[in-house]
Amino acid sequence: AQKITQTQPGMFVQEKEAVTLDCTYDTSDQSYGLFWYKQPSSGEMIFLIYQGSYDEQNATEGRYSLNFQKARKSANLVISASQLGDSAMYFCAMREGWSGTSYGKLTFGQGTILTVHP
Amino acid sequence: NAGVTQTPKFQVLKTGQSMTLQCAQDMNHNSMYWYRQDPGMGLRLIYYSASEGTTDKGEVPNGYNVSRLNKREFSLRLESAAPSQTSVYFCASTQGLRGGETQYFGPGTRLLVL
Repeated sequence: AQKITQTQPGMFVQEKEAVTLDCTYDTSDQSYGLFWYKQPSSGEMIFLIYQGSYDEQNATEGRYSLNFQKARKSANLVISASQLGDSAMYFCAMREGWSGTSYGKLTFGQGTILTVHP
Repeated sequence: NAGVTQTPKFQVLKTGQSMTLQCAQDMNHNSMYWYRQDPGMGLRLIYYSASEGTTDKGEVPNGYNVSRLNKREFSLRLESAAPSQTSVYFCASTQGLRGGETQYFGPGTRLLVL
């Protein structure tokens, strides 16, 4: 089974509107972390936002917020007031254990390409 | 503060050639990672180093070796390159469990094996 699933290969949004990028995850760990990264066409991986499994509040970072629904195992990224520069690939990733064979490693989803139209 | 740096940025190899990808971080992070990204896909872990002096295999280690030279540097070696190793390689680092777990990535190395 996929550990991270991003079901939207591509999304389109009008400039200044909000958009939600979906991410569901699968883990039996109690302690885990969820991340979103942005990859523009230039190729670098840019950290956007982090949510820990024990965090009660949804994470926010400027125009980015993470809609964390633990029972549903979803961690959707919400981008408010989209800008043209938000056009990029977006990856959801999960960190499981800090021991043994998975020390801090991230498992990535397949990504969602977001296109912002003027 | 450069963050995570990688050299080279681009490389073309012939099948069977060897090369070493270099990675360095100046954030005093404990853990470092090598990932590869194939077209249209997310990143997959090749090797990681939880702390200086230790290295372990990740999801796709075959055909690679690593060296954690010191706390700052973590290199990835391809001993005999194969076309299947054509990919973009990312190095990442994090402070780890007690210091903040966000992984910061280098700019990537684009490798083409002919």
